[in-house]
Parts: sequence; structure tokens; C-alpha cells
Amino acid sequence: NAGVTQTPKFQVLKTGQSMTLQCAQDMNHEYMSWYRQDPGMGLRLIHYSVGAGITDQGEVPNGYNVSRSTTEDFPLRLLSAAPSQTSVYFCASSYSEGGAGANVLTFGAGSRLTVL
Amino acid sequence: AQSVAQPEDQVNVAEGNPLTVKCTYSVSGNPYLFWYVQYPNRGLQFLLKYITGDNLVKGSYGFEAEFNKSQTSFHLKKPSALVSDSALYFCAVRGNAGNNRKLIWGLGTSLAVNP
Repeated sequence: NAGVTQTPKFQVLKTGQSMTLQCAQDMNHEYMSWYRQDPGMGLRLIHYSVGAGITDQGEVPNGYNVSRSTTEDFPLRLLSAAPSQTSVYFCASSYSEGGAGANVLTFGAGSRLTVL
Repeated sequence: AQSVAQPEDQVNVAEGNPLTVKCTYSVSGNPYLFWYVQYPNRGLQFLLKYITGDNLVKGSYGFEAEFNKSQTSFHLKKPSALVSDSALYFCAVRGNAGNNRKLIWGLGTSLAVNP
């Protein structure tokens, strides 16, 4: 059972380049999300999805796109990278979003992105 | 507005001593409360949660947390700290109804356990 798998683990981009961070989970989780972690800022939600074909914005969505064509995959796309997007990105999933016992998130190992 | 505060950026404790990592929250209604731990260069891992029932919740790796409704706190505790407990700890809270169901994260507390 692999859990949540993120690729790549490290990436260096130049300003203006685009890229996709991949996230896959094998737990049949309905809910998937992307966070960024920056020093002194904690975790900030970028985008999330409550099921295949459904996505919504979190608190810091600008400059990022997502799609959810399958239950397993939730890629995060940077359209035109900026130095402000230098961060560590985490994908997280859970069985569902609502209800008692919900929101026990399973996190991936993270993707460290540097934008020069 | 909903919020979570972890008032200490860093906690230092000697190995074998008890540890406490503090968390206070503000959310309307009955909260769901969580603790997660992040070891260096790793993703976050779930430690424990409070949904309802007994105010003392036991979790992974010998950790426990006490829910105090009157003080709106959910402090993480361990009776005897290990050097391997050194990590970043995050408290999270979520309301359980309507527009309060968003998960709110604290900024994290860095725990250093000294040998």
C-alpha cells in the first residue's frame, strides 16, 4: 500500500516556466488536496477536490490549476512559475470531507520547488 | 472567525521529562481537533484526534491530548519525551456544521528533545 505518492521530490524552474506536480493515491480516497508550506506561514490550502470531476479553490489558488479526471490522481499545474511559488508542496487525501472521523489526512512526502 | 493558535514556536525539553505542546482554538459549535507531526524532510503524519466523548485522547507513539472546552484548548502531551520525538507539531481544528467545516491549521511548534 503506497499511500500518497508525489513526484518529483525536487524541482528547479526558471521564472515563467510551467510544470506539473503529480499526486496519486491508492486508498480510494474521495478527497484530495494540495498545500504549500512556507516558513512562518504554516500550511496553506491551494486547491482541493471532493471527487472525480470536482475541484475547488483553497486560500491561495492564484497561479495554480488542478484537475481530477480519476479518483486516484490530482495533479497541480504551475502555469507560469514565479519566485513567490518557491515552496514545499504537499498532496493530502482522506476518505471523505465531511462527517464524524473525517479529515484524517494522509500526506505525501512533499515536493520541494525552487523558482529562480 | 475560526482560528488556531500554537503560542510557542519552539519547545525544548530534556529526554525523559514530560512534554506539552500547546494549542488553543476559536470555532463556533463543537470542534473536531487534530494533531499531526512532521519529521524532517517528511510529510505530515496523523497523531490523534478528538471528535466527542472522553476529554483525554490517546494517540500514536505514546502521545495524548486533553480537550478542555472551557479553555478552548487541546494541548498535546507525553509523559516521557524521547530524542526521536523531535519534530514539528501541527494542531488543526474544524467546525462540524455549515460554513464552519473548513480545516484550520496552526503554524506549528518545533519540539526539540535534548539527550
